Amino acid sequence: VQLVESGGGVVQPGGSLRLSCAASGFTFSTSGMHWVRQAPGKGLQWVAFIRSDGSNKYYVDSVKGRFTISRDNSKNTVFLQMNSLSVEDTAVYYCAKDLWNWGQGTLVTVSS
Amino acid sequence: QSVLTQPPSASGTPGQRVTISCSGSSSNIGSNNEYWYQQLPGTAPKLLIYRNNQRPSGVPDRFSGSKSGTSASLAISGLRPEDEADYYCAAWDDSLSGWVFGGGTKLTVL
Repeated sequence: VQLVESGGGVVQPGGSLRLSCAASGFTFSTSGMHWVRQAPGKGLQWVAFIRSDGSNKYYVDSVKGRFTISRDNSKNTVFLQMNSLSVEDTAVYYCAKDLWNWGQGTLVTVSS
Repeated sequence: QSVLTQPPSASGTPGQRVTISCSGSSSNIGSNNEYWYQQLPGTAPKLLIYRNNQRPSGVPDRFSGSKSGTSASLAISGLRPEDEADYYCAAWDDSLSGWVFGGGTKLTVL
């Protein structure tokens, strides 16, 4: 199982960013996928989940209406579109397969 | 403030047995499976325990999980220096319709 996140970077407050997670080594189309974040020096916070067929999506309250999780099973990729970013969204963002296997994360820094 | 409550720190000497607690409620640990993760410094979390007390392949049997009511525990026996890490519990929460993590416990091997 390999999960490789990309798309992180520095963005100003109020800006947008789209994270991607490329998956390989397993049957992506039958696996639920999560995004979990970790602010610098802080603990883990679950962010979003999407079912294998994309039929159901769940979000932590603090990102509802601002973040959107999606997936492309033809490209074995899951995405996290992040809008209206605030400094509180600064974190390493991990994608995870069923919360079993995790990528190495991509750093998102929201700063003016 | 995390939905699942863990002690911020724990410690032990090599060879000892240590336990880390995770306190939840009827909507998460009380009604769903809990998971435990180990996070070594600068690395991604690694699944240690799932479905209360199952270990993925490759996880030593020194690690074990248990649950009673709305609380869960992770036990590490035969403590080793390489066990020094942060440990997190997690569970699905029916009321929140989302996953919740504990605040994490930093384990120090003295």
